[in-house]
Amino acid sequence: QKEVEQNSGPLSVPEGAIASLNCTYSDRGSQSFFWYRQYSGKSPELIMFIYSNGDKEDGRFTAQLNKASQYVSLLIRDSQPSDSATYLCAVVGFQKLVFGTGTRLLVSP
Amino acid sequence: DTAVSQTPKYLVTQMGNDKSIKCEQNLGHDTMYWYKQDSKKFLKIMFSYNNKELIINETVPNRFSPKSPDKAHLNLHINSLELGDSAVYFCASSQARPGGPDTQYFGPGTRLTVL
Repeated sequence: QKEVEQNSGPLSVPEGAIASLNCTYSDRGSQSFFWYRQYSGKSPELIMFIYSNGDKEDGRFTAQLNKASQYVSLLIRDSQPSDSATYLCAVVGFQKLVFGTGTRLLVSP
Repeated sequence: DTAVSQTPKYLVTQMGNDKSIKCEQNLGHDTMYWYKQDSKKFLKIMFSYNNKELIINETVPNRFSPKSPDKAHLNLHINSLELGDSAVYFCASSQARPGGPDTQYFGPGTRLTVL
């Protein structure tokens, strides 16, 4: 079983819709969770982190964490074509950050 | 005012050669990392240094040798390059904060192509 799993996509949504990106992790002791966005040919950039169960909102982005289900998600409201990128879920393991393979999001105008 | 910088941005070389990639951060962070992102876009940690001390050494061939002359620099030297070493190598840095997550910031990447 992979440590961090994401659906590779692509996830296609129309402009203005809500994009929902999901991630599951295997280490029940994980405490901190990150969402990074990576445009093609660029480096990963941090969108937000979450470490408490529940929702955390930052602008159009909402991260949701459910430690009991070992599940973390990212919602993007009012999706824009500029949101088209690969979204990487990352979980803090023992002294290191473990990344999922990423979900490619395509937002069509 | 680049936070994490890497040189070179592109590196094309022949099999068997030795090459180095340099990384510098001006964020004042204590910890630096090297990641490898393969053709399938999977980002995997290779090494981590904290205050010049090696703390993570994943299962990486010993042809790869990191060096940290000070906490702002982490270089990666690769001996006897192989075709499978072709990838994008990212440097990152972070600063541990009490009670908070250790957020990592990435450099622009070095695309290594081994012919």
